[in-house]
Amino acid sequence: DTEVTQTPKHLVMGMTNKKSLKCEQHMGHRAMYWYKQKAKKPPELMFVYSYEKLSINESVPSRFSPECPNSSLLNLHLHALQPEDSALYLCASSQDGGDEQYFGPGTRLTVT
Amino acid sequence: GESVGLHLPTLSVQEGDNSIINCAYSNSASDYFIWYKQESGKGPQFIIDIRSNMDKRQGQRVTVLLNKTVKHLSLQIAATQPGDSAVYFCAESWDTGRRALTFGSGTRLQVQP
Repeated sequence: DTEVTQTPKHLVMGMTNKKSLKCEQHMGHRAMYWYKQKAKKPPELMFVYSYEKLSINESVPSRFSPECPNSSLLNLHLHALQPEDSALYLCASSQDGGDEQYFGPGTRLTVT
Repeated sequence: GESVGLHLPTLSVQEGDNSIINCAYSNSASDYFIWYKQESGKGPQFIIDIRSNMDKRQGQRVTVLLNKTVKHLSLQIAATQPGDSAVYFCAESWDTGRRALTFGSGTRLQVQP
């Protein structure tokens, strides 16, 4: 299984809502990542988890809260988002952080 | 034709031609480089990678060339097909006690039938 899955595929939320994005991989990878991608731009790193511990937070606003419940799962909890947070949110995993990363299909988030 | 992957330019080629996509990377300490293909509405898909102790690596129909002297990376696609149409990103990483990929701005490849 070389797949990273993400749910939901699409999400529309209001600025007062609380929602969560989910990511799962069963490749035995111990590093997992959240990226944000705006239209026609490259992915931008948000968070890195290594062995279920947060190792990198790229100065992401606290309205984004990551969680890694176990080595296969990665969540991104969203609260009080702004319209400018609308983007494609990508999850990725790798065997040893920084080497080949496998990406999921992303969640297309729209904040209204 | 060639294109520099810094401003999301578009490279248009005829089906069957060879494509060359270029990327100028930023950090002379980078020791790992990777090319991704991203189709509309999908996540980036691994194409090929190379470490800094190599200057060339070949895959199926693709070749990556690394020139560390001028900090330049290129992706060559042989016999380009319509299914190759996508945005291509290069990415680099370096070891500072933590590892993360930094992406270039991407190049859109359009293959004309």
